Amino acid sequence: NAGVTQTPKFQVLKTGQSMTLQCAQDMNHNSMYWYRQDPGMGLRLIYYSASEGTTDKGEVPNGYNVSRLNKREFSLRLESAAPSQTSVYFCAGSTGVTDTQYFGPGTRLTVL
Amino acid sequence: GENVEQHPSTLSVQEGDSAVIKCTYSDSASNYFPWYKQELGKRPQLIIDIRSNVGEKKDQRIAVTLNKTAKHFSLHITETQPEDSAVYFCAASILGGNKLVFGAGTILRVKS
Repeated sequence: NAGVTQTPKFQVLKTGQSMTLQCAQDMNHNSMYWYRQDPGMGLRLIYYSASEGTTDKGEVPNGYNVSRLNKREFSLRLESAAPSQTSVYFCAGSTGVTDTQYFGPGTRLTVL
Repeated sequence: GENVEQHPSTLSVQEGDSAVIKCTYSDSASNYFPWYKQELGKRPQLIIDIRSNVGEKKDQRIAVTLNKTAKHFSLHITETQPEDSAVYFCAASILGGNKLVFGAGTILRVKS
C-alpha cells in the first residue's frame, strides 16, 4: 500500500500562474485535508473534505479551491499564484476527525 | 475562532533528561487531542493521542495528560535521546467541524 501520496514534490511558479496539487490515498479514508506549513506557524488547514462529495473551508482558504474527485483523490488548485502562497503543502487522510491523520510527503511550492 | 496555543516554541534538554510541552485549547467541546512528531524534511507522524474520557495515557517513554477543566494538555518525554530531536505539534478536534486545529509547534533539541 502506498498510503497517502502527493504530486509534485517540488514546484516553482511565477506570480499569476495556476497549478493543481494532487493527493491520493489507498487507505479507505473518509476524510481528507489540505494544510500549509510555514515556519513558526504550524500546520494551517486550507480546505477539508469530511466525506466523498463534501468540501469545507479551513482557516486559510483564500486563493485556493479543492475538488474531491472520488473517495481516493483530493486536489488543491491555485488559480493565480502569489508569493504569499510559497509554502510546504501537506495532504492528509483519516477515517474520521477523531482518528489518526496520515500525512503525505508534502509539496514544496515556491512562487516568484 | 478556535485556537490551540503551544509552549515553549523551542526546548533544549540534555540527553537523559525529561521534556514537557504544554498546549491550551479554546473549544470546550474538543474531545480528541493528538500529538505529532515531524523530523527535518519529513511528514508529521502521530506519536500519541488522548481522548476526553481519559486523564493520562502512556506509551513507553511518552505520556500525555489532559485537564479538561483547565482546557490544557501536555506531552511528557522521559529519558530523552538524540533521536527525539524534532518538531512536535499538538492538536485539538473541533466538534461539529470534522477538523483539527494545530498548535504552532515546539522545536525539541536533545544534546548529547
